[in-house]
Formats: sequence, structure tokens, C-alpha cells
Amino acid sequence: DGGITQSPKYLFRKEGQNVTLSCEQNLNHDAMYWYRQDPGQGLRLIYYSQIVNDFQKGDIAEGYSVSREKKESFPLTVTSAQKNPTAFYLCASTPRDRTILYGYTFGSGTRLTVV
Amino acid sequence: GQQVMQIPQYQHVQEGEDFTTYCNSSTTLSNIQWYKQRPGGHPVFLIQLVKSGEVKKQKRLTFQFGEAKKNSSLHITATQTTDVGTYFCAAALNDMRFGAGTRLTVKP
Repeated sequence: DGGITQSPKYLFRKEGQNVTLSCEQNLNHDAMYWYRQDPGQGLRLIYYSQIVNDFQKGDIAEGYSVSREKKESFPLTVTSAQKNPTAFYLCASTPRDRTILYGYTFGSGTRLTVV
Repeated sequence: GQQVMQIPQYQHVQEGEDFTTYCNSSTTLSNIQWYKQRPGGHPVFLIQLVKSGEVKKQKRLTFQFGEAKKNSSLHITATQTTDVGTYFCAAALNDMRFGAGTRLTVKP
């Protein structure tokens, strides 16, 4: 079955440590996105990529980094510069078409906790 | 940046009652999407509206897009316990913007 796989499901980070969240899709979607969700809030865009080897900052990119070396993969690194990283991280993808907007397909998310 | 405002933030209903959540924007929207996120789960795409005044139905769910394309609503008729979750609207404003969501709880 096609879909988006995020791993790990739960992740614990120590202060000052960088961690990388994995996102893989086999939907042949061009565009991929990373969102952060905090309790009682909506989804805030961290980074997005519309094609391989290109990505753009979202509203809250500080303290995060991404890469898009393959169409299927869009890993997110939470660096030590992110002062409040505890949150639910969601990866999404969508086909890219100039005239049609598609709904987003989300992965099951990664819950990151700073310990 | 530009936002979509969603109300109410929370709604608690008795099973069988109706439920409505509203999404508003200060700017004209090209489209509006609706998602449902079950507790502990991830958002799932429900529907997209693109035409002024458009109304779409999915069983007990009715989605509307305003005539001015600045607001939208999701109405659930006769709620069931399976409807619990958070309902988000989202709109393409430079990039996709999500509302804060309406969390629905249903008392059996």
C-alpha cells in the first residue's frame, strides 16, 4: 500500500543533542512538508520541498534543517538551536500540479520529547 | 502572515446532536480543505471546495464554501461517538495554512 512512513514514532532528545526524524513516501508525490503541532494549536509549517534538491523555509524554520536528496525522502533534523522542540511532528506529501491543488497525505507522526 | 481563523476551539455535544465548525479568512481563498484528526492520530484529508457557494456532502457531513470565498463551514448531523476528533480547515495562502482546529467530543 502506498503511503508515508515516519520514524521513529516516539523520540527522546537530551539537551544539546541533534536528532533526525525520518519521512519516506512511496506515493510518487513531488511536494513534501514538515509541520509541527503543539497541544491546542494547529499545524505550523517548518519546511517544504516541491522538487528534489530544493526546499523552502516555512514560518518556524529556526532550529531545524532538512534535505531532499531523493524524491521519496525528506528527513528533518531538530538541532540544539531549537529551544523548545517538544512537539508532535507531522510529515505530509502531495502531488504537484500547476492547476490543481490536492489534499495532503500525512504520515502517522513522531512525538519528540526533550529529557 | 495570513491566517485562517477557526471557531469554536472546543465543542462538546451529546450523541445525536448536531455540530458545526466555522473557518474564516480576511482574504479571498482559492480553495478550502477540511481534515479530521482522531485523538492520537494524524490529519486525514476529507474534502476540498473550490467554487463560490459550493456545498458538498459526505453522509452526515455537509461542507460549504461561502459566496465570497472567505469562509467555510463543516456541519455534522446527528453526531456519533466515531465523530470525535479535531477538525481542521486549511487554505492555500502562498502556502497551505491550517486553522487551529475545533476539537469535538461526543458524550454517549
